[in-house]
Amino acid sequence: GAGVSQSPSNKVTEKGKDVELRCDPISGHTALYWYRQRLGQGLEFLIYFQGNSAPDKSGLPSDRFSAERTGESVSTLTIQRTQQEDSAVYLCASSLSVSRADTQYFGPGTRLTVL
Amino acid sequence: QKEVEQNSGPLSVPEGAIASLNCTYSDRVSQSFFWYRQYSGKSPELIMSIYSNGDKEDGRFTAQLNKASQYVSLLIRDSQPSDSATYLCAVSSGNTPLVFGKGTRLSVIA
Repeated sequence: GAGVSQSPSNKVTEKGKDVELRCDPISGHTALYWYRQRLGQGLEFLIYFQGNSAPDKSGLPSDRFSAERTGESVSTLTIQRTQQEDSAVYLCASSLSVSRADTQYFGPGTRLTVL
Repeated sequence: QKEVEQNSGPLSVPEGAIASLNCTYSDRVSQSFFWYRQYSGKSPELIMSIYSNGDKEDGRFTAQLNKASQYVSLLIRDSQPSDSATYLCAVSSGNTPLVFGKGTRLSVIA
């Protein structure tokens, strides 16, 4: 079956512009997670959604970052007024639920470059 | 603050040797433990999970868990150059997202 998909795969933008990154989770997965991974670094948790509950935004680094999810489907991560330090790979993952970590799978990521 | 600690490496082992990757975690109520493999430029993929004390074997991989010591490890037997990657330890406490370590970079030398 289809895995987690993300688009675009690569995004180059100029400093100060807004960007939107998209994630399509595995069908039936109620939990969806966003992570950031800077070059050579570990995974940095940003936000997660579980069903219709309020998202856990505790990892968002600043108010320039926001995310939305439509029901238990697509999610978009928006970064406003991008800065060079936002350059990273943004990874999305989904799982059947947050308590079913054994079903967590990652998408291929979006590589964001801010010039 | 829940923490998962790993030695960043690189850990270099010769081909055919046993690679031993270690991880400690801070949250005593942690229930589930996972190892992900991440090749350079790729996303992490789940390779092992373990839930109870002891060893769990899957092919050349063995995960070991010691909850009293808050320690989990991954052994790779007969290491191959294709095993060269970063290995991420992740810990779950139930109804909260996985907490990931920063990963250990493994290099298997042919």
